[in-house]
Amino acid sequence: NAGVTQTPKFQVLKTGQSMTLQCAQDMNHNSMYWYRQDPGMGLRLIYYSASEGTTDKGEVPNGYNVSRLNKREFSLRLESAAPSQTSVYFCASSPAAGIGNIQYFGAGTRLSVL
Amino acid sequence: EDKVVQSPLSLVVHEGDTVTLNCSYEVTNFRSLLWYKQEKKAPTFLFMLTSSGIEKKSGRLSSILDKKELSSILNITATQTGDSAIYLCAVAPNTGNQFYFGTGTSLTVIP
Repeated sequence: NAGVTQTPKFQVLKTGQSMTLQCAQDMNHNSMYWYRQDPGMGLRLIYYSASEGTTDKGEVPNGYNVSRLNKREFSLRLESAAPSQTSVYFCASSPAAGIGNIQYFGAGTRLSVL
Repeated sequence: EDKVVQSPLSLVVHEGDTVTLNCSYEVTNFRSLLWYKQEKKAPTFLFMLTSSGIEKKSGRLSSILDKKELSSILNITATQTGDSAIYLCAVAPNTGNQFYFGTGTSLTVIP
């Protein structure tokens, strides 16, 4: 039961470096999300993809880009990492809009930017 | 602006105590409210509430929604150390695919 798989689990970057966080789900869900979680801030939405081929900005999109590669995969890219992007990143997926719309989360990526 | 507020921010109790966690929301076109438990890693789903006054129960955990008061509570009875976690509340509106999360309540249960 893989569910939502994120890679890598940990990453340390230097300021200005770039990297891509990968996310894949095997539940045939239409919608996928990227969140960041910081102490005292809860989960904040970075970008989401309601369905394959669409992406939309969330609450904190600056400094990030996303790609919905296909129905299974949704990646998050940091083009030029900054210390303010030190955080834990979670990918999530949900079947679609509607009453049964529960989000399922990956295990997270802990990112440190020095 | 849509928002979800949880209280208290943190709580320390002894094993066997009963706790009540609160979630209030201001979200346009409410559809559902969800509770998650987050231990070391990913949040895991506990309950989804859509109708006012109907209690959802799973073992020692229960939750109820009050749409008139725009709030929900999560009760945990006979707490155990394994209940120590952050409990997150999220609200889904009727339109779009976004979820609005509260900052969470950190629960610590000491033996």
